[in-house]
Amino acid sequence: QSALTQPASVSGSVGQSITISCTGTSSDIGTYNYVSWYQQHPGKAPKLMIYDVNNRPSGVSNRFSGSKSGNTASLTISGLQAEDEADYYCSSHTSSSTLYVFGTGTKVTVL
Amino acid sequence: QVQLQESGPGLVKPSETLSLICTVSGGSISSYYWSWIRQPPGKGLEWIGYNYYSGSANYNPSLKSRVTISVDSSRNQFSLKLSSVTAADTAVYYCARNGGSYSFDYWGQGTLVTVSS
Repeated sequence: QSALTQPASVSGSVGQSITISCTGTSSDIGTYNYVSWYQQHPGKAPKLMIYDVNNRPSGVSNRFSGSKSGNTASLTISGLQAEDEADYYCSSHTSSSTLYVFGTGTKVTVL
Repeated sequence: QVQLQESGPGLVKPSETLSLICTVSGGSISSYYWSWIRQPPGKGLEWIGYNYYSGSANYNPSLKSRVTISVDSSRNQFSLKLSSVTAADTAVYYCARNGGSYSFDYWGQGTLVTVSS
């Protein structure tokens, strides 16, 4: 099971919106609405930001939103803030025996 | 608020067994699946496996022959054993709760395990 494909880096200015893509296959994103997104600051544990494609856990800012089309999921951060600078990973359930597959990760830089 | 804390040796010799424990506080270990996830330095995340308090385990096929994840409900802990380690197993190891919908809603802070003689 290969990792989901994400862009290595995405950048934006404070206040702008950015979108991070996550491309999988018909064995994972294309079939299941079990896409989640994690934010990871340097030296810290990942934090769940989105689950089930577009649901936010309690306490997560509504500036974060998720969507899916075909084999590609997306995370949009609106009103970009300095504290959003971090690595972001997508994840999906997969029909393969691996069960869970993560993305390659995207470094978000706030200019 | 559920909290998870990993503990165990930070250095393991090649060919030996890596052993970690995750202590869960602020909630019962029952009724949830519990996972181990690792992240080699500078790299991405890899799911290792999970177990349920009743003992229903599932492992990443790439590690299945070397991994055992156990749950101790009496201590509110679960553990990871990874045998025959090599330098490729050097990573930060995280314990996490499967929050349903194939997502991980609570994570430990992570512990770096280095495999070296």
